[in-house]
Amino acid sequence: QVHLVQSEAEVKKPGASVKVSCKASGYSFSGWFMHWVRQAPGQGLEWMGRINPTSGETNLAQKFQGRVTMTRDTSISTAYMDLSGLTSDDTAIYYCARESSWTDYWGQGTLVTVSS
Amino acid sequence: DIQMTQSPSTLSASIGDRVTITCRASQNINNWLAWLQQRPGKAPKLLIYKASSLESGVPSRFSGSGYGTEFTLTISSLQPDDFATYYCQQYYNYGYTFGQGTKLEIK
Repeated sequence: QVHLVQSEAEVKKPGASVKVSCKASGYSFSGWFMHWVRQAPGQGLEWMGRINPTSGETNLAQKFQGRVTMTRDTSISTAYMDLSGLTSDDTAIYYCARESSWTDYWGQGTLVTVSS
Repeated sequence: DIQMTQSPSTLSASIGDRVTITCRASQNINNWLAWLQQRPGKAPKLLIYKASSLESGVPSRFSGSGYGTEFTLTISSLQPDDFATYYCQQYYNYGYTFGQGTKLEIK
């Protein structure tokens, strides 16, 4: 049974960075890309990028290039998304999602609040 | 990036109604389209992939169709659990863009 369990909510100040984790279980972590998607309050879903857990190669949405780093630790089946230079516009729920070409399993989401 | 446009943005319907949501892509995406359902406070849930394939465990009242640039999600007989927001997502190329969502409300 596939599960993606994300880290707890975070509150950050403007200009800071946040690192969200996504621990996978129930399948072979290295075999499936992991995506990151965010959702601002009351808004729709926004694709941020994905990571190949085997190679570590990433594909990022142009909007986030230079500000987002996606990494993974295969020894503990965990993917990470690091977002720097936070502003109030980054206040959102951040989701990880496994790719089977389409995104089939999603984490529960991590609320990141950016506030001074 | 490929733009995905859903219509309508909001849809009011009653239990037992048949409803259809449309998703249009700005360019051809073959059948590389998924539909997701999101209930308030919950993560999105996959309903349909490859435009018309029903995800395991999803009720058969949900169906998808389309190819190329125009796609539809149909719910044949609305149930109370179906009142949620629905998103289409293309996975034809990077960007994996979503539609803006369709909120299905109780009339």
